[in-house]
Amino acid sequence: DSGVTQTPKHLITATGQRVTLRCSPRSGDLSVYWYQQSLDQGLQFLIQYYNGEERAKGNILERFSAQQFPDLHSELNLSSLELGDSALYFCASSVVLSPDTGELFFGEGSRLTVL
Amino acid sequence: GQQLNQSPQSMFIQEGEDVSMNCTSSSIFNTWLWYKQDPGEGPVLLIALYKAGELTSNGRLTAQFGITRKDSFLNISASIPSDVGIYFCAGFLYGGSQGNLIFGKGTKLSVKP
Repeated sequence: DSGVTQTPKHLITATGQRVTLRCSPRSGDLSVYWYQQSLDQGLQFLIQYYNGEERAKGNILERFSAQQFPDLHSELNLSSLELGDSALYFCASSVVLSPDTGELFFGEGSRLTVL
Repeated sequence: GQQLNQSPQSMFIQEGEDVSMNCTSSSIFNTWLWYKQDPGEGPVLLIALYKAGELTSNGRLTAQFGITRKDSFLNISASIPSDVGIYFCAGFLYGGSQGNLIFGKGTKLSVKP
């Protein structure tokens, strides 16, 4: 158990819909990262928050947005869903600002299926 | 943007055999990391490398940060069934356009019992 909690674990929805994925980081971790894992695509970095503020942005679509709340939990919002958005979405947390100076602890992921 | 080429994509090995996988890039990285993902779980950090030429071991795992800073390899000695999973290399570049870790596409390891 990494200490990172993601909900829901599985989600099935239709194209055009909007969903929210939630992440609770390890206690004390200030950094939260979101990654998308698709078949044959590995882990694609989406966005990072540190202590409530956006820290780094990757290949995140404009239809996607995220935020980190004062209690440090984070939410990833996916809207106008398309079939290609079906993937495993991981949240990771770290106590440090930069992912190379401290280990990232990953949650078990939220599997999104868009039909 | 930066890309990591990880190989092989998958491999089947006999229990007890040694395993080798590597990661290459056209870009120079400051840090190389190796993560393992077990089925149904998130990736877990195995080894972190911070200096060119650095060789680091973690039990049966050995990883090296290439001298050119453009590659890294991971060796697993005397493989056992619990080594099954997907191994990811990840590189970090200060000031990179993505400003974060870049992951390879993974090496799926399957062990024949």
